[in-house]
Amino acid sequence: EAGVTQSPRYAVLQEGQAVSFWCDPISGHDTLYWYQQPRDQGPQLLVYFRDEAVIDNSQLPSDRFSAVRPKGTNSTLKIQSAKQGDTATYLCASSLTGVGNTLYFGEGSRLIVV
Amino acid sequence: GEKVEQHQSTLSVREGDSAVINCTYTDTASSYFPWYKQEAGKSLHFVIDIRSNVDRKQSQRLTVLLDKKAKRFSLHITATQPEDSAIYFCAASNTNTGKLTFGDGTVLTVKP
Repeated sequence: EAGVTQSPRYAVLQEGQAVSFWCDPISGHDTLYWYQQPRDQGPQLLVYFRDEAVIDNSQLPSDRFSAVRPKGTNSTLKIQSAKQGDTATYLCASSLTGVGNTLYFGEGSRLIVV
Repeated sequence: GEKVEQHQSTLSVREGDSAVINCTYTDTASSYFPWYKQEAGKSLHFVIDIRSNVDRKQSQRLTVLLDKKAKRFSLHITATQPEDSAIYFCAASNTNTGKLTFGDGTVLTVKP
């Protein structure tokens, strides 16, 4: 069974540039999460979807970050006008619906903003 | 919202000794407490979990203890091996939202 796939693995941007990260979850997993993991910190939830619906995006900086999952499968996280504080690894995870279902993480997309 | 704290940022033990990593949480509605391991340069993967209807769960060399009254849970690793060296993250999930909140991780080093 294929795991969670993310791309690109690395991105280096100048401040003000934009980037999109793509995630392909495990087949059949209806719940998809985007986490931001700054260096030496734990993952922090940005947004999560059940199928195509956003369940919680309260921690997504909505002025510059956006996330979609139009068909309830793949998802894209976009950062517009990147800032140095956005430097982090962006992790995608997927699971089946319900509390207590294991999250499976992708390898992450490492973003450096200079 | 929920806050999960890991009280040791680093932990070093000798191979064969036991290691204990402690976490606390704030939200009394949390009911599910998984642990994830992150090896150098890799992503997180699940190791063990405990639900709020029990206070202890064991899987081979790993045991998780949960004290709901104190809002505290811990991961115990016995007979540590060098391959146990990694960052361990505890997390807590709210019963109502399913939202999983992570601690900042404990770097475990097992010295030969």
